[in-house]
Amino acid sequence: DTGVSQDPRHKITKRGQNVTFRCDPISEHNRLYWYRQTLGQGPEFLTYFQNEAQLEKSRLLSDRFSAERPKGSFSTLEIQRTEQGDSAMYLCASSFTGNGAPLHFGNGTRLTVT
Amino acid sequence: AQSVTQPDIHITVSEGASLELRCNYSYGATPYLFWYVQSPGQGLQLLLKYFSGDTLVQGIKGFEAEFKRSQSSFNLRKPSVHWSDAAEYFCAVGAEDDMRFGAGTRLTVKP
Repeated sequence: DTGVSQDPRHKITKRGQNVTFRCDPISEHNRLYWYRQTLGQGPEFLTYFQNEAQLEKSRLLSDRFSAERPKGSFSTLEIQRTEQGDSAMYLCASSFTGNGAPLHFGNGTRLTVT
Repeated sequence: AQSVTQPDIHITVSEGASLELRCNYSYGATPYLFWYVQSPGQGLQLLLKYFSGDTLVQGIKGFEAEFKRSQSSFNLRKPSVHWSDAAEYFCAVGAEDDMRFGAGTRLTVKP
Protein backbone atom coordinates (compact mmCIF):
# COMPACT_ATOMS: atom_id res chain seq x y z
CA ASP A 1 0.00 0.00 0.00
CA THR A 2 1.82 3.06 -1.24
CA GLY A 3 -0.96 5.45 -0.28
CA VAL A 4 -2.65 8.13 -2.35
CA SER A 5 -0.23 10.17 -4.42
CA GLN A 6 -0.83 13.53 -6.03
CA ASP A 7 1.17 15.38 -8.63
CA PRO A 8 2.39 18.08 -8.66
CA ARG A 9 2.79 19.12 -5.03
CA HIS A 10 2.85 22.76 -5.96
CA LYS A 11 1.66 24.67 -9.01
CA ILE A 12 2.02 28.37 -9.67
CA THR A 13 0.17 29.70 -12.68
CA LYS A 14 -0.95 32.97 -14.12
CA ARG A 15 -4.58 33.94 -14.18
CA GLY A 16 -6.30 32.67 -17.29
CA GLN A 17 -4.07 29.62 -17.75
CA ASN A 18 -5.28 26.03 -17.60
CA VAL A 19 -3.90 23.60 -15.05
CA THR A 20 -4.27 19.85 -14.59
CA PHE A 21 -3.64 17.81 -11.45
CA ARG A 22 -3.27 14.08 -11.17
CA CYS A 23 -4.25 11.69 -8.38
CA ASP A 24 -3.29 8.03 -8.06
CA PRO A 25 -5.48 6.35 -5.43
CA ILE A 26 -4.80 3.25 -3.38
CA SER A 27 -5.13 0.50 -5.95
CA GLU A 28 -7.80 -1.55 -4.14
CA HIS A 29 -10.08 1.46 -3.63
CA ASN A 30 -12.88 1.99 -6.10
CA ARG A 31 -13.98 5.39 -4.83
CA LEU A 32 -12.00 8.54 -5.52
CA TYR A 33 -12.79 12.00 -4.17
CA TRP A 34 -11.61 15.52 -4.86
CA TYR A 35 -11.72 18.17 -2.14
CA ARG A 36 -10.61 21.78 -2.02
CA GLN A 37 -9.14 23.33 1.09
CA THR A 38 -8.52 27.02 1.65
CA LEU A 39 -6.53 28.52 4.49
CA GLY A 40 -8.22 28.10 7.84
CA GLN A 41 -10.97 25.89 6.49
CA GLY A 42 -11.74 22.23 6.37
CA PRO A 43 -11.79 20.35 3.09
CA GLU A 44 -14.82 21.09 0.87
CA PHE A 45 -16.25 18.33 -1.27
CA LEU A 46 -15.93 18.83 -5.02
CA THR A 47 -16.72 15.54 -6.69
CA TYR A 48 -16.33 11.80 -6.44
CA PHE A 49 -16.05 8.73 -8.63
CA GLN A 50 -17.14 5.16 -8.18
CA ASN A 51 -14.77 3.34 -10.51
CA GLU A 52 -14.88 5.41 -13.72
CA ALA A 53 -18.32 6.91 -13.13
CA GLN A 54 -18.56 10.43 -11.73
CA LEU A 55 -21.48 10.14 -9.32
CA GLU A 56 -21.74 13.52 -7.69
CA LYS A 57 -20.53 17.05 -8.28
CA SER A 58 -20.71 19.89 -5.81
CA ARG A 59 -22.12 23.22 -6.90
CA LEU A 60 -18.64 24.51 -5.99
CA LEU A 61 -17.44 22.79 -9.16
CA SER A 62 -18.04 25.47 -11.78
CA ASP A 63 -18.02 24.85 -15.52
CA ARG A 64 -14.31 25.69 -15.56
CA PHE A 65 -13.59 22.55 -13.52
CA SER A 66 -13.63 19.08 -14.97
CA ALA A 67 -12.59 15.79 -13.47
CA GLU A 68 -12.06 12.44 -15.12
CA ARG A 69 -11.20 8.93 -14.11
CA PRO A 70 -11.05 7.22 -17.49
CA LYS A 71 -10.09 3.69 -16.50
CA GLY A 72 -11.25 3.70 -12.93
CA SER A 73 -7.71 4.08 -11.66
CA PHE A 74 -6.00 7.49 -11.63
CA SER A 75 -7.95 10.72 -11.89
CA THR A 76 -7.26 14.19 -13.26
CA LEU A 77 -8.74 17.49 -12.22
CA GLU A 78 -8.49 20.28 -14.76
CA ILE A 79 -9.19 23.94 -14.11
CA GLN A 80 -9.62 26.10 -17.18
CA ARG A 81 -9.10 29.88 -17.26
CA THR A 82 -7.85 29.95 -13.70
CA GLU A 83 -8.86 32.78 -11.40
CA GLN A 84 -7.19 34.04 -8.25
CA GLY A 85 -10.05 32.59 -6.23
CA ASP A 86 -9.01 29.13 -7.39
CA SER A 87 -5.88 29.36 -5.24
CA ALA A 88 -6.19 26.56 -2.70
CA MET A 89 -4.99 23.12 -1.75
CA TYR A 90 -6.63 20.42 -3.86
CA LEU A 91 -6.87 17.16 -2.00
CA CYS A 92 -7.55 13.75 -3.44
CA ALA A 93 -8.79 10.85 -1.34
CA SER A 94 -9.80 7.28 -1.98
CA SER A 95 -11.83 4.67 -0.17
CA PHE A 96 -13.64 1.39 -0.46
CA THR A 97 -17.30 1.47 -1.34
CA GLY A 98 -19.66 1.58 1.59
CA ASN A 99 -21.40 4.00 3.84
CA GLY A 100 -18.99 5.73 6.10
CA ALA A 101 -15.87 4.17 4.64
CA PRO A 102 -12.96 6.29 5.86
CA LEU A 103 -11.08 8.36 3.33
CA HIS A 104 -7.37 8.05 2.72
CA PHE A 105 -5.91 11.36 1.62
CA GLY A 106 -2.98 12.33 -0.51
CA ASN A 107 -0.71 15.20 0.43
CA GLY A 108 -2.49 17.55 -1.93
CA THR A 109 -1.59 19.93 -4.72
CA ARG A 110 -1.20 23.55 -3.69
CA LEU A 111 -2.31 25.88 -6.46
CA THR A 112 -1.32 29.53 -6.51
CA VAL A 113 -2.86 31.74 -9.19
CA THR A 114 -1.05 35.03 -9.69
CA ALA B 1 -27.94 18.10 5.09
CA GLN B 2 -25.19 17.15 7.45
CA SER B 3 -22.89 19.75 8.97
CA VAL B 4 -20.07 19.88 11.48
CA THR B 5 -19.11 22.64 13.91
CA GLN B 6 -15.81 22.88 15.71
CA PRO B 7 -16.27 25.77 18.14
CA ASP B 8 -12.59 26.29 18.93
CA ILE B 9 -10.43 27.71 16.16
CA HIS B 10 -7.19 27.53 18.14
CA ILE B 11 -6.24 25.79 21.39
CA THR B 12 -2.95 25.96 23.26
CA VAL B 13 -2.01 23.35 25.85
CA SER B 14 1.16 22.57 27.74
CA GLU B 15 3.02 19.38 26.96
CA GLY B 16 1.81 16.66 29.28
CA ALA B 17 -1.54 18.30 29.89
CA SER B 18 -4.83 16.75 28.88
CA LEU B 19 -6.66 17.77 25.73
CA GLU B 20 -10.27 17.93 24.62
CA LEU B 21 -11.31 19.17 21.19
CA ARG B 22 -14.99 19.80 20.67
CA CYS B 23 -17.12 18.74 17.74
CA ASN B 24 -20.87 19.12 17.21
CA TYR B 25 -22.68 17.70 14.24
CA SER B 26 -26.03 17.93 12.58
CA TYR B 27 -27.37 14.91 10.77
CA GLY B 28 -30.76 13.34 10.39
CA ALA B 29 -29.77 9.75 11.03
CA THR B 30 -27.11 7.91 12.94
CA PRO B 31 -23.93 9.47 11.69
CA TYR B 32 -20.60 8.07 10.78
CA LEU B 33 -18.13 10.28 12.63
CA PHE B 34 -14.43 10.75 12.14
CA TRP B 35 -11.48 12.69 13.45
CA TYR B 36 -8.59 13.50 11.14
CA VAL B 37 -5.28 15.23 11.82
CA GLN B 38 -3.35 17.36 9.36
CA SER B 39 0.25 18.49 9.71
CA PRO B 40 1.38 21.58 7.75
CA GLY B 41 1.59 20.95 4.03
CA GLN B 42 0.29 17.41 4.37
CA GLY B 43 -2.91 15.55 3.68
CA LEU B 44 -5.28 14.35 6.37
CA GLN B 45 -4.64 11.24 8.45
CA LEU B 46 -7.45 9.30 10.07
CA LEU B 47 -7.24 9.23 13.88
CA LEU B 48 -10.41 7.31 14.68
CA LYS B 49 -13.95 6.64 13.56
CA TYR B 50 -17.36 5.89 15.06
CA PHE B 51 -19.96 3.82 13.28
CA SER B 52 -22.09 2.24 15.98
CA GLY B 53 -21.84 0.33 19.24
CA ASP B 54 -19.57 1.44 22.03
CA THR B 55 -19.74 5.22 22.26
CA LEU B 56 -16.13 5.54 23.37
CA VAL B 57 -13.76 4.79 20.53
CA GLN B 58 -10.01 4.45 20.63
CA GLY B 59 -7.75 5.71 17.89
CA ILE B 60 -4.12 5.98 16.99
CA LYS B 61 -1.51 8.01 18.85
CA GLY B 62 -3.35 7.66 22.17
CA PHE B 63 -6.47 9.59 21.10
CA GLU B 64 -10.02 8.65 21.99
CA ALA B 65 -13.41 10.18 21.26
CA GLU B 66 -16.84 9.87 22.81
CA PHE B 67 -20.09 9.94 20.88
CA LYS B 68 -22.95 11.58 22.76
CA ARG B 69 -26.17 11.38 20.81
CA SER B 70 -28.11 13.59 23.22
CA GLN B 71 -25.61 16.40 22.75
CA SER B 72 -24.86 15.72 19.07
CA SER B 73 -21.21 15.75 20.00
CA PHE B 74 -18.12 13.74 19.21
CA ASN B 75 -15.30 15.25 21.27
CA LEU B 76 -11.71 14.17 20.90
CA ARG B 77 -9.54 13.61 23.96
CA LYS B 78 -6.01 12.74 24.91
CA PRO B 79 -4.83 12.36 28.50
CA SER B 80 -1.30 13.67 27.96
CA VAL B 81 -0.32 15.77 24.97
CA HIS B 82 3.06 15.42 23.27
CA TRP B 83 4.82 18.18 21.33
CA SER B 84 4.38 16.13 18.16
CA ASP B 85 0.59 16.43 18.50
CA ALA B 86 0.74 20.05 17.35
CA ALA B 87 -1.34 20.08 14.15
CA GLU B 88 -4.77 20.89 12.75
CA TYR B 89 -7.59 18.59 13.77
CA PHE B 90 -10.73 18.07 11.76
CA CYS B 91 -13.98 16.45 12.77
CA ALA B 92 -16.06 14.99 9.94
CA VAL B 93 -19.47 13.41 9.47
CA GLY B 94 -19.88 10.88 6.71
CA ALA B 95 -23.00 10.35 4.72
CA GLU B 96 -23.72 7.94 1.92
CA ASP B 97 -21.78 9.70 -0.75
CA ASP B 98 -19.62 12.37 0.80
CA MET B 99 -17.95 13.49 3.94
CA ARG B 100 -18.38 16.96 5.46
CA PHE B 101 -15.62 18.49 7.51
CA GLY B 102 -15.56 21.07 10.24
CA ALA B 103 -13.37 24.14 9.88
CA GLY B 104 -10.73 22.61 12.10
CA THR B 105 -9.04 23.33 15.42
CA ARG B 106 -5.39 24.26 15.42
CA LEU B 107 -3.51 22.80 18.37
CA THR B 108 -0.38 24.46 19.71
CA VAL B 109 1.68 22.63 22.33
CA LYS B 110 3.75 24.68 24.75
CA PRO B 111 6.97 23.13 26.10
